[in-house]
Amino acid sequence: AQSVTQLGSHVSVSEGALVLLRCNYSSSVPPYLFWYVQYPNQGLQLLLKYTTGATLVKGINGFEAEFKKSETSFHLTKPSAHMSDAAEYFCAVSDGQTGANNLFFGTGTRLTVIP
Amino acid sequence: DAGITQSPRHKVTETGTPVTLRCHQTENHRYMYWYRQDPGHGLRLIHYSYGVKDTDKGEVSDGYSVSRSKTEDFLLTLESATSSQTSVYFCAISPVSSGANVLTFGAGSRLTVL
Repeated sequence: AQSVTQLGSHVSVSEGALVLLRCNYSSSVPPYLFWYVQYPNQGLQLLLKYTTGATLVKGINGFEAEFKKSETSFHLTKPSAHMSDAAEYFCAVSDGQTGANNLFFGTGTRLTVIP
Repeated sequence: DAGITQSPRHKVTETGTPVTLRCHQTENHRYMYWYRQDPGHGLRLIHYSYGVKDTDKGEVSDGYSVSRSKTEDFLLTLESATSSQTSVYFCAISPVSSGANVLTFGAGSRLTVL
């Protein structure tokens, strides 16, 4: 079975500083990996995803993530934080197989951006 | 949240009462899902549907039932609500069910069971 660990339930950065949100996964097969963002009082929306191919994936709003198989990681980064980035971020993993019951979410990291 | 509407958005109820949450989509997607979101647990799948009258259990299905009589509507029912079911419930949809599946989420329904 797949699982996801997000290190740090809360991360604070200054506006303009680097954003780094950590995600490690466990999967017995090549994983599909996702980052979702949740703004206050809203549902989750997709930031980016990795399925196959290039390991550096670019998403919306300047975010990117790199799939590192040797480290079983899929950390999310953004070079310069903006106030509008304050939200909760969820990493998720799928085993790539057909089936609706194969997507597993991490516990989330709440990002605070300090002016 | 275009294309997905959840109702009610907020509900307070008492232990032992039945509760039904509704998810309505206008995207004509085949797959619909109910998740619950709790601090320290992230999102966990309750039930999902892969077509009209076709549903299956997720990770945390105990105490919940679902129904899908039309493509656009997916109902989540708590037959007898308990305090442990206090949570935020999210509906999601997708056109297919593959490993690269991207879900579109509703805005959530916050349920408080006293």
